[in-house]
Amino acid sequence: EVQLLESGGGLVQPGGSLRLSCTASAFTFTNYWMSWVRQAPGKGLEWVANIRNDGNLKNYVDSVKGRFTISRDNVRDSVYLQMNSLRTEDTAVYYCVRDVAHYSSDYWYDVYDIWGQGTMVTVSS
Amino acid sequence: AIQMTQSPSSLSASVGDRVTISCRASQGIRNALGWYQQKPGKAPKVLIYAASTLQSGVPSRFSGSGSDTDFTLTISSLQPEDFATYYCLQDYNYPRTFGQGTRVELK
Repeated sequence: EVQLLESGGGLVQPGGSLRLSCTASAFTFTNYWMSWVRQAPGKGLEWVANIRNDGNLKNYVDSVKGRFTISRDNVRDSVYLQMNSLRTEDTAVYYCVRDVAHYSSDYWYDVYDIWGQGTMVTVSS
Repeated sequence: AIQMTQSPSSLSASVGDRVTISCRASQGIRNALGWYQQKPGKAPKVLIYAASTLQSGVPSRFSGSGSDTDFTLTISSLQPEDFATYYCLQDYNYPRTFGQGTRVELK
């Protein structure tokens, strides 16, 4: 079964660090961009970052630039999110997401077709 | 960043109703828009991409339309399993941005 399994969430103090991991199974990992999306308790979805197949292109939402780093290991079929200088507003469920590119009418469309179950990150003193 | 505004924020409907949810972008995004459904305690699920293309396996009662700045998700006949929160997402540029969500509740 195609799936993504996140780990690494937990409770951390403001200013602390945490590293999230996501391991893919049952698909060719190197064919896909990967993303992280988060959801604060009782709130909506927020896109956080993504990384290209080869790991050489990354994008971030402004609120995490300079603090979070996305990376991947194509041998271990895994994607990571290193989170430093954590703030209370980073408290959320973090989802790992597979990003499928669909080509139509001279344009590439992103489709987030596989999601992990999510891992909770709580930033609190 | 492109702002995505959904309306309404919530709605109450009955099984069998036709439901329409709107999403407006703060600038033109051609048709680079997807719709996602999320049930409580679960990860989101993609319904539609490229504004109107139904994702494989999604029931045909879901449809999407629109381009540039104005988009619509329609559920032609609401089923019990459709009570959920729906989000639009633009994939025109970075950062990707979601609408704030529309909660569909049982009347």
